[in-house]
Amino acid sequence: GENVEQHPSTLSVQEGDSAVIKCTYSDSASNYFPWYKQELGKRPQLIIDIRSNVGEKKDQRIAVTLNKTAKHFSLHITETQPEDSAVYFCAASGFKAAGNKLTFGGGTRVLVKP
Amino acid sequence: KAGVTQTPRYLIKTRGQQVTLSCSPISGHRSVSWYQQTPGQGLQFLFEYFSETQRNKGNFPGRFSGRQFSNSRSEMNVSTLELGDSALYLCASSLRRDLNTGELFFGEGSRLTVL
Repeated sequence: GENVEQHPSTLSVQEGDSAVIKCTYSDSASNYFPWYKQELGKRPQLIIDIRSNVGEKKDQRIAVTLNKTAKHFSLHITETQPEDSAVYFCAASGFKAAGNKLTFGGGTRVLVKP
Repeated sequence: KAGVTQTPRYLIKTRGQQVTLSCSPISGHRSVSWYQQTPGQGLQFLFEYFSETQRNKGNFPGRFSGRQFSNSRSEMNVSTLELGDSALYLCASSLRRDLNTGELFFGEGSRLTVL
């Protein structure tokens, strides 16, 4: 089955700096890659996603890049702010037959220091 | 529009007991999936239902089971509880049949503690 590795497990950045989280996946059939943000004590919420026919996607201060050949994708957060402090999860999902199943990475705890 | 609702939010059980958790998806969503969240293992997929049919099952023992009703509400059951079952159980619903056209909306979870 699919396996998703996520690095780093913790990331501390100064406010205003950039943060980058990287994930690799094992199943070459995976074609949907979402990122979820989970604030302390809250539910995970989708912040951005990318499909395999796209190499990069941006939404204000966040962007995701996908390299299908290397089977890795990354989340980039620019101009970090204290409210970006949270745990971020990458995930992968396969072909339609997989339904609504996501395989998650282990998570990255991001701390933005003011 | 109400979000995904999970009950109970917190519960404490002892080893050997069984537990049933409930999930009400967003109105109109027919897909419901369950995830176990633990500090060491992250988010682990349990199972997913669409229109009362289980479409996927994760790598969990048979003690973990679930079902979905005709109104899309779902329940999961864990029998013969073990200490390692202590976790946050998250339910997620989706409007679409597959993730290529829809996102997952998570509930706040049911935190289970097994003593």
